[in-house]
Amino acid sequence: GAVVSQHPSWVICKSGTSVKIECRSLDFQATTMFWYRQFPKQSLMLMATSNEGSKATYEQGVEKDKFLINHASLTLSTLTVTSAHPEDSSFYICSARSSGIGYEQYFGPGTRLTVT
Amino acid sequence: DQQVKQNSPSLSVQEGRISILNCDYTNSMFDYFLWYKKYPAEGPTFLISISSIKDKNEDGRFTVFLNKSAKHLSLHIVPSQPGDSAVYFCASILDTGRRALTFGSGTRLQVQP
Repeated sequence: GAVVSQHPSWVICKSGTSVKIECRSLDFQATTMFWYRQFPKQSLMLMATSNEGSKATYEQGVEKDKFLINHASLTLSTLTVTSAHPEDSSFYICSARSSGIGYEQYFGPGTRLTVT
Repeated sequence: DQQVKQNSPSLSVQEGRISILNCDYTNSMFDYFLWYKKYPAEGPTFLISISSIKDKNEDGRFTVFLNKSAKHLSLHIVPSQPGDSAVYFCASILDTGRRALTFGSGTRLQVQP
């Protein structure tokens, strides 16, 4: 149980285009999903918290107009990187937690974004 | 300012021996800690957690120890296996409202056959 998928796993796009990444909880309902990014040899940095049916909460320094997050259902959250630039190239990982009292989050496999 | 710190970027041990991964934290309000294992180009996998009301939690080959007075926790893997080679992150809850996690910088464990 507690499986989270991400799609696509790898994407290359041209500078100035937009890319959408999907995060799905496959066998549980995720009231909250989180989006992280990881640069090479660095830790995971929280970008935003996404609650189903409400606006996402962004961490300081993360541009909400650039990284659009939608959590339209209890099993799906999407991250859209708008007008991508090469510096947006990174590994993006989502996680999900259920509505239970536990703190465990279950992570997707990640999406490698390369902007050329 | 990083609130969860893993000061050893790498660790190498022999197969069958004990692996000890360390983690320090600065925020005394943190009361729940988690360890994740991560392979390259994959998402982290949850390993084990511990609440601050405990000082030890064990699950198979994995044991986490918490020393609240020292703001220190450690993950012990016994016996270590080559398949344990990965990057290990400790994490704590950033805030109890959102339950977002803050991660340490990770320790790369290499288990030599």
